[in-house]
Amino acid sequence: SYVLTQPPSVSVAPGKTARITCGGNNIGSKSVHWYQQKPGQAPVLVIYYDSDRPSGIPERFSGSNSGNTATLTISRVEAGDEADYYCQVWDSSSDQGVFGGGTKLTVL
Amino acid sequence: QVTLRESGPALVKPTQTLTLTCTFSGFSLSTSGMCVSWIRQPPGKALEWLARIDWDDDKYYSTSLKTRLTISKDTSKNQVVLTMTNMDPVDTATYYCARIFEMGNWFDPWGQGTLVTVSS
Repeated sequence: SYVLTQPPSVSVAPGKTARITCGGNNIGSKSVHWYQQKPGQAPVLVIYYDSDRPSGIPERFSGSNSGNTATLTISRVEAGDEADYYCQVWDSSSDQGVFGGGTKLTVL
Repeated sequence: QVTLRESGPALVKPTQTLTLTCTFSGFSLSTSGMCVSWIRQPPGKALEWLARIDWDDDKYYSTSLKTRLTISKDTSKNQVVLTMTNMDPVDTATYYCARIFEMGNWFDPWGQGTLVTVSS
């Protein structure tokens, strides 16, 4: 089955740029979606189709995907961005939804 | 506005069958390309995809849980039902349903989730 690998944690100072990676075999050939989950809340879609932002998501959130790594980038990080972030793909070879293990973003 | 809401028992005993209902509004599962998925999250752990049902009644299941899961829909009631047999304490989790577009395969939006505890 397809596996997505994320770093367990990323720390960043306010105002700086956070980059959260999602590794997978030839993930660049798949569409990657990203979710933000704050404590006690349901996940919220922040990036779809590698780099598109749903309405209402700040431009500070961006995404890229190439080779074996997809990246969620959060610019000018704010305290309110502190959350768990998950990447997700649909593995068409097995018709399965796949999530990464999640990354806890800490704003110092 | 699209909304989804999960409902079901908060507590089930080991070996019992869990039945969860996702009631949604703002879209129809009879519309081409519309789908609903179930995802769960054990306390403090990552998201795990469980199952998906499409507008045309195609169904997909997690390979690891396939033998225990059944997903179905009632289009007239705007509901999707997930059953999971032979529940075990390790199945304790918050269970979410979410809309998914067949074309893009992303989950949006999600329901608020329902916590299911498996304990005798």
